Amino acid sequence: DTAVSQTPKYLVTQMGNDKSIKCEQNLGHDTMYWYKQDSKKFLKIMFSYNNKELIINETVPNRFSPKSPDKAHLNLHINSLELGDSAVYFCASSQSGGRVGYTFGSGTRLTVV
Amino acid sequence: QQQVKQSPQSLIVQKGGIPIINCAYENTAFDYFPWYQQFPGKGPALLIAIRPDVSEKKEGRFTISFNKSAKQFSLHIMDSQPGDSATYFCAARVGGNAGNMLTFGGGTRLMVKP
Repeated sequence: DTAVSQTPKYLVTQMGNDKSIKCEQNLGHDTMYWYKQDSKKFLKIMFSYNNKELIINETVPNRFSPKSPDKAHLNLHINSLELGDSAVYFCASSQSGGRVGYTFGSGTRLTVV
Repeated sequence: QQQVKQSPQSLIVQKGGIPIINCAYENTAFDYFPWYQQFPGKGPALLIAIRPDVSEKKEGRFTISFNKSAKQFSLHIMDSQPGDSATYFCAARVGGNAGNMLTFGGGTRLMVKP
């Protein structure tokens, strides 16, 4: 069973479209994250949710909106896609309250054409 | 501003060699330092981690050395194998109520030649 699963794995879309990426974790963790990995492999935090509440919102365009219907799910919706949004997006989860690592999903490669 | 600086960006070693990847940080509020391994097409996976009150931690062929006064830490891979070829990331966490957020270094692409 996949611990953190993301769908879709690949997403190719045109500029200006709106798209969503879904993430689910079955680890019972209370915190979930979205990271963006650019073409140079740099990993940058976008959002962090703890028990469905936003706790970190780094400087990202407001075209990106996370939604957490419950603590096992954290979806990412992107409006008016731009060429610069092309990247790999990773969902991750962890348990708060201690020094613990993240479990990452396998990523969604978004290509905007 | 990159809070965790990682070097080198890429590294090539022969099988059996000991690649060393270095990271440096400035924020003394960091209290947890994990390393992640990422294979192409996969998400990063936790490899090994250390707390700042420990100077060295070893798990199998992977060792972290930590120098708190210098604010530096490094990953050593003993007897490296071609299967270790991957991108490695160091990371650091701010303790307290910062949401367990990890800040990552820029990554090191390691190639181990047979």
